[in-house]
Amino acid sequence: GENVEQHPSTLSVQEGDSAVIKCTYSDSASNYFPWYKQELGKRPQLIIDIRSNVGEKKDQRIAVTLNKTAKHFSLHITETQPEDSAVYFCAASINKLVFGAGTILRVKS
Amino acid sequence: DTEVTQTPKHLVMGMTNKKSLKCEQHMGHRAMYWYKQKAKKPPELMFVYSYEKLSINESVPSRFSPECPNSSLLNLHLHALQPEDSALYLCASSQPQRGLETQYFGPGTRLLVL
Repeated sequence: GENVEQHPSTLSVQEGDSAVIKCTYSDSASNYFPWYKQELGKRPQLIIDIRSNVGEKKDQRIAVTLNKTAKHFSLHITETQPEDSAVYFCAASINKLVFGAGTILRVKS
Repeated sequence: DTEVTQTPKHLVMGMTNKKSLKCEQHMGHRAMYWYKQKAKKPPELMFVYSYEKLSINESVPSRFSPECPNSSLLNLHLHALQPEDSALYLCASSQPQRGLETQYFGPGTRLLVL
């Protein structure tokens, strides 16, 4: 079955800097790649997603890139703010979501 | 209405109790999911219902019994749970289109088994 690896497990950045989280997947048939943000004690919330027919997608300070050949995708957050601090999960999907282990992002002000 | 709701928010139960978790959505989604999430871990899929029929059971122990009474409701019946079953139980919903559709999560039920 699908396996998703996510790095780094923790990431500390200074407010205003950029943050990059990377994921690799194993099944080339995966065709949907969402990113979820989960704040402490709250539900996972979708922040951006990309489908396999697209290489890059951007929404304000957040962007996702997908390299199907290499089977990896990345989340880029620019101009980080303290409220970006949370756990971020990537996922890959054929018929069900398989999540990465998560990245704890800390934005220091 | 773009929310998935879950009740109760918190639940404490003994190992001999029977309880149920409830999930509701009014987004017209026809796929609903149960996930289990342990602290500092990603959500783990338990069950998927598509058009009110169970389509995926991720080898979940029979002490967890899902039910989908209609397209808006999803229940998870709990019986004879173990302390290691303590976790956050998340419900999600989406349109059932072979994994291409966004899943929206409910706030979860935090379960403690004593």
